[in-house]
Amino acid sequence: EDQVTQSPEALRLQEGESSSLNCSYTVSGLRGLFWYRQDPGKGPEFLFTLYSAGEEKEKERLKATLTKKESFLHITAPKPEDSATYLCAYSGNTPLVFGKGTRLSVIA
Amino acid sequence: GAVVSQHPSWVICKSGTSVKIECRSLDFQATTMFWYRQFPKQSLMLMATSNEGSKATYEQGVEKDKFLINHASLTLSTLTVTSAHPEDSSFYICSASQTREETQYFGPGTRLLVL
Repeated sequence: EDQVTQSPEALRLQEGESSSLNCSYTVSGLRGLFWYRQDPGKGPEFLFTLYSAGEEKEKERLKATLTKKESFLHITAPKPEDSATYLCAYSGNTPLVFGKGTRLSVIA
Repeated sequence: GAVVSQHPSWVICKSGTSVKIECRSLDFQATTMFWYRQFPKQSLMLMATSNEGSKATYEQGVEKDKFLINHASLTLSTLTVTSAHPEDSSFYICSASQTREETQYFGPGTRLLVL
C-alpha cells in the first residue's frame, strides 16, 4: 500500500537552531514529492516540488532534498515566523496523498 | 501568481440547511480542482476531484449526494453540503491545478459549523 510518513510529529527549536524534517514514502510510480507549509486555520502554502532522486530546491531558509525513499526539509537558522505545520505529499497514480505533518515551533 | 480564493471563509448554519462554498482560481485556468476536508490536528483528506465540464470523482466513503460538486468553468468550482448536520462541521479546503498531475495551489479554507 502506498503511504507517506513524516517525522517527527512535533519539533521545538530555538531560534537559529538548524534541523531537518523527514518524509519517507513507499509508492510505486512517484510523479512528484511536494512540500507545503500550513499555518493554523489556513490552507496549505506551496513550497517545493521534487521529481527525481538527487534533486534539491531552496527558498530562503528552507532546502528540500529527495532520495529514492525519502525527502528532507532542511531549515537553516530558523526564525519564530517559520513556526507552522509542514506537510509533505506525493502524487503517483492518485492525486496528492498527504502525510500527517510535522508541527514546528521556533522559540525566540 | 497561482492564487486560489474561497468564499465564505466562515459559515454557521442550522442543521438541515444546505451550504455552498465557492473556490476560484484567480490568475490561472484550473482544469482540475480538488476538495479536501481537515479535522483538528489531522492532515488533509481528499474528498473529490473535479474536472471542468465533467462529473466529479469522489473518494471512497464520501457521499456524492451529500457533497455536490460543480466545476462549471476553468476558474470556479463549488461544493454544496446538502442537509448539513453537526458531524459535517469541519474545515473545507479546495485546491486547483492546471492538470491533474501538476502542483496544487490551495485556497484559504472555509470553516463550517453546523448547529
